[in-house]
Amino acid sequence: SQTIHQWPATLVQPVGSPLSLECTVEGTSNPNLYWYRQAAGRGLQLLFYSVGIGQISSEVPQNLSASRPQDRQFILSSKKLLLSDSGFYLCAWMVYETDGYTFGSGTRLTVV
Amino acid sequence: GQNIDQPTEMTATEGAIVQINCTYQTSGFNGLFWYQQHAGEAPTFLSYNVLDGLEEKGRFSSFLSRSKGYSYLLLKELQMKDSASYLCVLDRGDSSYKLIFGSGTRLLVRP
Repeated sequence: SQTIHQWPATLVQPVGSPLSLECTVEGTSNPNLYWYRQAAGRGLQLLFYSVGIGQISSEVPQNLSASRPQDRQFILSSKKLLLSDSGFYLCAWMVYETDGYTFGSGTRLTVV
Repeated sequence: GQNIDQPTEMTATEGAIVQINCTYQTSGFNGLFWYQQHAGEAPTFLSYNVLDGLEEKGRFSSFLSRSKGYSYLLLKELQMKDSASYLCVLDRGDSSYKLIFGSGTRLLVRP
């Protein structure tokens, strides 16, 4: 079966600390993978997407970076967190266009 | 670019019918999704419209009119568990399969 794992579920980090969020998928090969962020009370904003290993496209200039070291692994990172990086981070994949995205359970990041 | 407009909030009564509207402006797209998002959770897929017209799936139906730049989600026989945000989402249809999300409509179902 096709599943997506995202961790951790919640994270509280001080300003200036590094960040690493990981997302892995099972049950498929070469999926399109996405990182979205949702600020409190706002819509989902696309941060990065990847169509294959080592292929990363950035949608919004920011304090974050992404990497795809393996086919089924997508990592979101930051060297130094800002207060504005707080939000709900969601990893997603798309296998068939008509089925839309399947999302991971999300990581709620609070930068203090 | 793309612009998606939905009402911010709606309130309805348990057992009733509610229609959530979405208007959009875009240079082109493949289809339109509706997602449901409960508070603190990830969005889940509800429907996908490619052609104009109504798609029915149980208590939920979704309608698309490309010529009018308009879609709606119809929820029948409302239940308390339907209290959630409903997201109107455009499928840009390029090889990246990027989806563009509206800000969502927060629906509150009251007894």
